[in-house]
Amino acid sequence: NAGVTQTPKFQVLKTGQSMTLQCAQDMNHNSMYWYRQDPGMGLRLIYYSASEGTTDKGEVPNGYNVSRLNKREFSLRLESAAPSQTSVYFCASRQTGGSSTQYFGPGTRLTVL
Amino acid sequence: GENVEQHPSTLSVQEGDSAVIKCTYSDSASNYFPWYKQELGKGPQLIIDIRSNVGEKKDQRIAVTLNKTAKHFSLHITETQPEDSAVYFCAASSGGYQKVTFGTGTKLQVIP
Repeated sequence: NAGVTQTPKFQVLKTGQSMTLQCAQDMNHNSMYWYRQDPGMGLRLIYYSASEGTTDKGEVPNGYNVSRLNKREFSLRLESAAPSQTSVYFCASRQTGGSSTQYFGPGTRLTVL
Repeated sequence: GENVEQHPSTLSVQEGDSAVIKCTYSDSASNYFPWYKQELGKGPQLIIDIRSNVGEKKDQRIAVTLNKTAKHFSLHITETQPEDSAVYFCAASSGGYQKVTFGTGTKLQVIP
């Protein structure tokens, strides 16, 4: 049982490049989330998916797109990366209807030059 | 929307002493308050949570208190150990707990 996995662990992009961050969970959770973590700002919600086939914007969605590929996988795409998107990105999952606990992945450290 | 403020941003204590981290929230509809611990290079992990129908909850050396009237909640760690050194986040959510608003984090250093 790997929990929540994220790839890649590190990535360096040039301004304007695109990339997709991958997230998968093996806990059969319904809900999945993408956060960014910046110094002094805590964790801010980018997008979330309450169930397979649905996605909703969070606090800071501009510049990002998401895809809930199936129940296990939730990807985050940067179409045209900007230096302001330099951050650590965390994926999380949660089982709805029961525990409120969110389980986090190990994070992806992204630098945009 | 919900706003969660957390203090202090950094905290240093001697091993064996107690540590207290405080948070306030703005949305009176919030009814679930988790605390997460983040070790260096890892994702946050839930350590304790409290719901609005409870005033205090304990789990070994960790306790959380909630004052709904004042809209603040606190994390108390007693008999601190070096392995307690980490960043701690408070959070608040309401309704179906789909969206959780996090505080800005407290970096706790326990000095041996």
